[in-house]
Amino acid sequence: DGGITQSPKYLFRKEGQNVTLSCEQNLNHDAMYWYRQDPGQGLRLIYYSQIVNDFQKGDIAEGYSVSREKKESFPLTVTSAQKNPTAFYLCASSKRDLYSNQPQHFGDGTRLSIL
Amino acid sequence: QKEVEQDPGPLSVPEGAIVSLNCTYSNSAFQYFMWYRQYSRKGPELLMYTYSSGNKEDGRFTAQVDKSSKYISLFIRDSQPSDSATYLCAMSAQGGSEKLVFGKGTKLTVNP
Repeated sequence: DGGITQSPKYLFRKEGQNVTLSCEQNLNHDAMYWYRQDPGQGLRLIYYSQIVNDFQKGDIAEGYSVSREKKESFPLTVTSAQKNPTAFYLCASSKRDLYSNQPQHFGDGTRLSIL
Repeated sequence: QKEVEQDPGPLSVPEGAIVSLNCTYSNSAFQYFMWYRQYSRKGPELLMYTYSSGNKEDGRFTAQVDKSSKYISLFIRDSQPSDSATYLCAMSAQGGSEKLVFGKGTKLTVNP
């Protein structure tokens, strides 16, 4: 089945540790996104990528890093510089069309907690 | 004023009721409007996707967009317990723009 796979479902981070969240899609979508969801805050954009080897900062990029070496994959690293990393992280993807805005489709998220 | 405002609820209705969920927005450049449904501990699932003003119907769901009032609605007819979820509105501007702006979500419970 086509879709977006995020792993792991749950992740725990120790103080001073970097952790990487995986996102893979087999929808042949060009664009991929990372969001953070906190209770009562809605979804906030961390990073997005429209094509391979290119990505842009979203609204809350500080303390995060990404790479886009393959069309199917867009991993997110939560660095030790992110002081409040506990949240639900969502990856999304969409087709890219210069003339219309294609809807985004989401994975089932990774819940990150601090030990 | 926030770009997108959505009443967080919670909203509790009996099974079979008609549910109305709403968002208002301030950016007149928004042209693409979406509603997502999110079950607990799951990712958002796209329910409705509309362009510009007007109505769109899909089964028990109807999305309405009134650009003159900067107001969008999602109606759920004959609501079911399985509709219990958080509903998120989202919107974006011109074609080719991938950035979505989300409302904070409305939590809906449909009681059997």
